[in-house]
Amino acid sequence: GAVVSQHPSWVICKSGTSVKIECRSLDFQATTMFWYRQFPKQSLMLMATSNEGSKATYEQGVEKDKFLINHASLTLSTLTVTSAHPEDSSFYICSASGRSLNTEAFFGQGTRLTVV
Amino acid sequence: AQTVTQSQPEMSVQEAETVTLSCTYDTSESDYYLFWYKQPPSRQMILVIRQEAYKQQNATENRFSVNFQKAAKSFSLKISDSQLGDAAMYFCAYLARGSNYKLTFGKGTLLTVNP
Repeated sequence: GAVVSQHPSWVICKSGTSVKIECRSLDFQATTMFWYRQFPKQSLMLMATSNEGSKATYEQGVEKDKFLINHASLTLSTLTVTSAHPEDSSFYICSASGRSLNTEAFFGQGTRLTVV
Repeated sequence: AQTVTQSQPEMSVQEAETVTLSCTYDTSESDYYLFWYKQPPSRQMILVIRQEAYKQQNATENRFSVNFQKAAKSFSLKISDSQLGDAAMYFCAYLARGSNYKLTFGKGTLLTVNP
């Protein structure tokens, strides 16, 4: 199957700083990428949908100024958590889909963010 | 709006036995896809099986099979000959054709496999 690489796999940052998470499709063109947040023992909560070359579409309740998403190319999307606070600590997952994948979504390995 | 319901927060099965995980969904669409994803302790999401709504035949992948009842909007996953490696969180997911690949997930079922 197609490969989606997400980095870093874990990160610890201080309150007030920003942290960037990258999501790359390694062997296909990802026309659409998704960013999820997952709390322990819960389902994936969609934060935003990112289409290459256009602004991300955020789900209701997600602060777009806090969670900056950029999808500048067909293989890379980034999520930047700005001015991070301890309540932003969570597991973040990206997924990617493309016309060549016949509706299947491929997921990154996830990023464990801890804000101290 | 589409919703996906997994009514079993936790399930357990003995190794080598069979277990069925339930999933129901609600949609007004006629053309859609259904998926089961597995999330082991590593938290990597892995596609287990997929079903196209227009196909009447139930999908199978080795020890994994589904019982797709379109009229009842039910999509259960059967795991045969359960193995220790099957222990994971299982998510049922729905995708409407033309929805820009946006998945709707259920809340998940935590499966424990007892040796």
